[in-house]
Amino acid sequence: QKEVEQNSGPLSVPEGAIASLNCTYSDRGSQSFFWYRQYSGKSPELIMFIYSNGDKEDGRFTAQLNKASQYVSLLIRDSQPSDSATYLCAPSSYDKVIFGPGTSLSVIP
Amino acid sequence: SQTIHQWPATLVQPVGSPLSLECTVEGTSNPNLYWYRQAAGRGLQLLFYSVGIGQISSEVPQNLSASRPQDRQFILSSKKLLLSDSGFYLCAWSARQSYEQYFGPGTRLTVT
Repeated sequence: QKEVEQNSGPLSVPEGAIASLNCTYSDRGSQSFFWYRQYSGKSPELIMFIYSNGDKEDGRFTAQLNKASQYVSLLIRDSQPSDSATYLCAPSSYDKVIFGPGTSLSVIP
Repeated sequence: SQTIHQWPATLVQPVGSPLSLECTVEGTSNPNLYWYRQAAGRGLQLLFYSVGIGQISSEVPQNLSASRPQDRQFILSSKKLLLSDSGFYLCAWSARQSYEQYFGPGTRLTVT
């Protein structure tokens, strides 16, 4: 089993819709969870982090964490074409962060 | 505020040539520093990380090496590049006791 799994996509949503990005991880010791956005040809940018079970909202972004299910997700409300990018899930445990392969999101105007 | 620099931005090198990529961080002290490689269409692969001057941990055996001669300087090197070394090289930093990593702009390396 891969350490971090994400649907590779591409995930296409119309402008204004909710985009849902999912991530599962294998290390039950993971304590912190990060979401990065990476535009084509650019470096990853940290957009959200969550440490506790439940939801965390920041503007149009909501991160959801369920440690029992080893599942973390990112919801993007009112999706905009500028949200089109690859989203990397990154759980961390002990001394390292493991990056998932990323999900490509395309928001169609 | 903290800033991370990488150079060069792009590089084309022949097989067998040496490599030196530099990363510097401003606005913080005692950062953890990381080198990642991202091959085309692939995920991030951690190459090296450092928790202090002269302290380097290698994640994958290969023809690359890293050094940290100063607190906020991290260098990635190779004596002889391989075609498989092509990719997007990213330097990142995090504060001590933190897992939040912040990336530099990256160096796109093409080995021909």
